[in-house]
Amino acid sequence: QKEVEQDPGPLSVPEGAIVSLNCTYSNSAFQYFMWYRQYSRKGPELLMYTYSSGNKEDGRFTAQVDKSSKYISLFIRDSQPSDSATYLCAMSEADSWGKLQFGAGTQVVVTP
Amino acid sequence: NAGVTQTPKFQVLKTGQSMTLQCAQDMNHEYMSWYRQDPGMGLRLIHYSVGAGITDQGEVPNGYNVSRSTTEDFPLRLLSAAPSQTSVYFCASSRTGVNTGELFFGEGSRLTVL
Repeated sequence: QKEVEQDPGPLSVPEGAIVSLNCTYSNSAFQYFMWYRQYSRKGPELLMYTYSSGNKEDGRFTAQVDKSSKYISLFIRDSQPSDSATYLCAMSEADSWGKLQFGAGTQVVVTP
Repeated sequence: NAGVTQTPKFQVLKTGQSMTLQCAQDMNHEYMSWYRQDPGMGLRLIHYSVGAGITDQGEVPNGYNVSRSTTEDFPLRLLSAAPSQTSVYFCASSRTGVNTGELFFGEGSRLTVL
């Protein structure tokens, strides 16, 4: 069983809709939780970063971490065609900086 | 502002051949790493380095070799290519000491082993 599970999609939504993405994990030692966005044939880029449990908001993006359920989420409000990409969750333990465990990634398609 | 530069972008090898994927960063980052990305598997860590002269193994190190002689460069060597090494390879770098979760990735090197 993988340490981090993520539904690969694809997830297709109309422009303006809310996109909801999530990951589950099994390692209770994970402390740092991230969402990366990857456009086709490009490298991933950091979108959101959260330490431990709680919510974080940045513009149209909200990241949530529920450590008791080992579950993290990313919400994209007012989705745009430019949000079409693969979204990867990633996480790491407190003393394992840089050694990230990634989910498989969810492909999101926002149609005009 | 180059960031992380990977070469080559595409490569086709025959089984048993060796090659080196190059990675260079101009951000003076101490930490560098190599990941491979396969469909349905996400990114998996191959090797990483926390500074010049220091390297360590990640999750899937077999068949790969690395060295770090300078802060800027972190090449990945395939010793004897196998079809199972067909993948997209990403080099990443970051600062150490401040954990913001931000790895800076290159654009990837797409390798096919026949």
